[in-house]
Amino acid sequence: DAGVIQSPRHEVTEMGQEVTLRCKPISGHNSLFWYRQTMMRGLELLIYFNNNVPIDDSGMPEDRFSAKMPNASFSTLKIQPSEPRDSAVYFCASSFLAGYEQYFGPGTRLTVT
Amino acid sequence: GESVGLHLPTLSVQEGDNSIINCAYSNSASDYFIWYKQESGKGPQFIIDIRSNMDKRQGQRVTVLLNKTVKHLSLQIAATQPGDSAVYFCAENWEGDGNKLVFGAGTILRVKS
Repeated sequence: DAGVIQSPRHEVTEMGQEVTLRCKPISGHNSLFWYRQTMMRGLELLIYFNNNVPIDDSGMPEDRFSAKMPNASFSTLKIQPSEPRDSAVYFCASSFLAGYEQYFGPGTRLTVT
Repeated sequence: GESVGLHLPTLSVQEGDNSIINCAYSNSASDYFIWYKQESGKGPQFIIDIRSNMDKRQGQRVTVLLNKTVKHLSLQIAATQPGDSAVYFCAENWEGDGNKLVFGAGTILRVKS
């Protein structure tokens, strides 16, 4: 298996632009997670899905952030409009069952200027 | 200027020595724990996990110890190698909170050759 796939790996955009991050979980995994990692706050859970349904989005910073999972093999995290403070590494992870280990993708490094 | 961010504890060990990385977890109801390793520029990588009905689990060169009385978790790495240099995170999960993982701030392990 190729593992969790994220794209793009790097994104540089100007403030105010829309950013879309993509994730393909490991085939057969039922849960998908979006995290953000910064030097200031460490690794933070933004939102997670079970069987394509959003379960907990309490970590989403504000309405500028939205996430979707239209099917079991694809998810997006969108930021609109983007701001410099959104600059971070965004990770997607997936797991087979609730309470089991999560496998992380390589991350998307987002820079908003 | 002065950098602002999380100040992660750092453990420096000589190549070949054993390493012990400690973690204090927050929720006494947590019943599942994982150790992750994150190398520079990569996503967190699963190392080993343990459930609350155990107090010790061994893997290849790694051992995790769980002390529920004092809410303490440790990761022991035998014969530490330069490739072990990374940031190590503990994470906890409580079944009553779905399959969210709550991550610690991390510990930097530096291996001196």
